[in-house]
Amino acid sequence: NAGVTQTPKFQVLKTGQSMTLQCAQDMNHNSMYWYRQDPGMGLRLIYYSASEGTTDKGEVPNGYNVSRLNKREFSLRLESAAPSQTSVYFCASSDWGGQGRGAYEQYFGPGTRLTVT
Amino acid sequence: AQKITQTQPGMFVQEKEAVTLDCTYDTSDQSYGLFWYKQPSSGEMIFLIYQGSYDEQNATEGRYSLNFQKARKSANLVISASQLGDSAMYFCAMREGGRGGNTPLVFGKGTRLSVIA
Repeated sequence: NAGVTQTPKFQVLKTGQSMTLQCAQDMNHNSMYWYRQDPGMGLRLIYYSASEGTTDKGEVPNGYNVSRLNKREFSLRLESAAPSQTSVYFCASSDWGGQGRGAYEQYFGPGTRLTVT
Repeated sequence: AQKITQTQPGMFVQEKEAVTLDCTYDTSDQSYGLFWYKQPSSGEMIFLIYQGSYDEQNATEGRYSLNFQKARKSANLVISASQLGDSAMYFCAMREGGRGGNTPLVFGKGTRLSVIA
């Protein structure tokens, strides 16, 4: 099992360019999340999808859109990148029910380091 | 108001000593979960330990234990017998509501732990 995968690992954009960050999980999880991490700020929620077909805004959704393509994939799109979106982006997934750690643990991808100049 | 507060931006500990990383939380939910994640310099998020609000015993995972004081709303991480590899950023996080794992996490700003030989 690969767990949660993210592409690309690194990206440099110019202000105004667009791009899509891809995330996929192979654990058959229902819920998926996008967080961003800025220095000194911890991780903050951008958007999440509690189940296939639903998406909800998090704490910092402005400038982003998401698509839950299917149960496995959850993408994050920047339509017009701004320097304030320079950050490390983490995708995560989780499920509900069951026993043990699988009932509550959130599994994180390796992150995408994005720089907007 | 911050939901997760980590008051120690940085901590130093001597190798083989124990260290406590502080975390206080704020919620009005009766059902919630508390997490600690480790982020080494390589950047990945590593799950360490989980405590559910209804769990009567403090959680333990190897050298990690969670000192859960519900009335004080604190969930401190204790690392025993520190090792050089424990040098990393540590994040406390909370999931509110329900017993399932399908809700986002709210993170603190983190504590950087440095282990000295």
